[in-house]
Amino acid sequence: DAMVIQNPRYQVTQFGKPVTLSCSQTLNHNVMYWYQQKSSQAPKLLFHYYDKDFNNEADTPDNFQSRRPNTSFCFLDIRSPGLGDAAMYLCATSRTGEGQPQHFGDGTRLSIL
Amino acid sequence: QKEVEQNSGPLSVPEGAIASLNCTYSDRGSQSFFWYRQYSGKSPELIMSIYSNGDKEDGRFTAQLNKASQYVSLLIRDSQPSDSATYLCAVRRSYIPTFGRGTSLIVHP
Repeated sequence: DAMVIQNPRYQVTQFGKPVTLSCSQTLNHNVMYWYQQKSSQAPKLLFHYYDKDFNNEADTPDNFQSRRPNTSFCFLDIRSPGLGDAAMYLCATSRTGEGQPQHFGDGTRLSIL
Repeated sequence: QKEVEQNSGPLSVPEGAIASLNCTYSDRGSQSFFWYRQYSGKSPELIMSIYSNGDKEDGRFTAQLNKASQYVSLLIRDSQPSDSATYLCAVRRSYIPTFGRGTSLIVHP
């Protein structure tokens, strides 16, 4: 089945130790998104790629970076995780046509020690 | 700033009842509207989409859209305990949706 796959499902890292989360898709969608979601809050868009074009949200901390080496893969790098970065990180994909929904991966739960 | 407002709840309904979830949005140019269900600790799952004014039914779910009032709702008929989750409303003008913070629904036996 076509899908969005995130790895790992759970990630524990130390304060200040860089961490990378990955996302892959078999849907061949041209837009990929990274969201941060904390408990009882709406998903917060960090950035998205429209094909190879990177779009950063204005309030996304510089600590967060992303790479999309090809259509299928996208990575979220957190250079120096702080305690406030503990959250669920969601990857989503979509087509750009009107009415196209987003398809989410299962998410990565990041914990900071 | 684009805003999507939902009552955080929890909304508690008995099993078999109709659950009504509401969402208002500020961007009049919004064209696509989505309802996602999110179980605790899981990712959002698309359950309904609607683009035109009126009602759209899919099984036990009915989405209602009123663009003039900037209002979209989700009705769940014959609610089941397995429907207990947070329901996120997402509103989209281009390919960037704006999410509400969700309404927590509890269906009790």
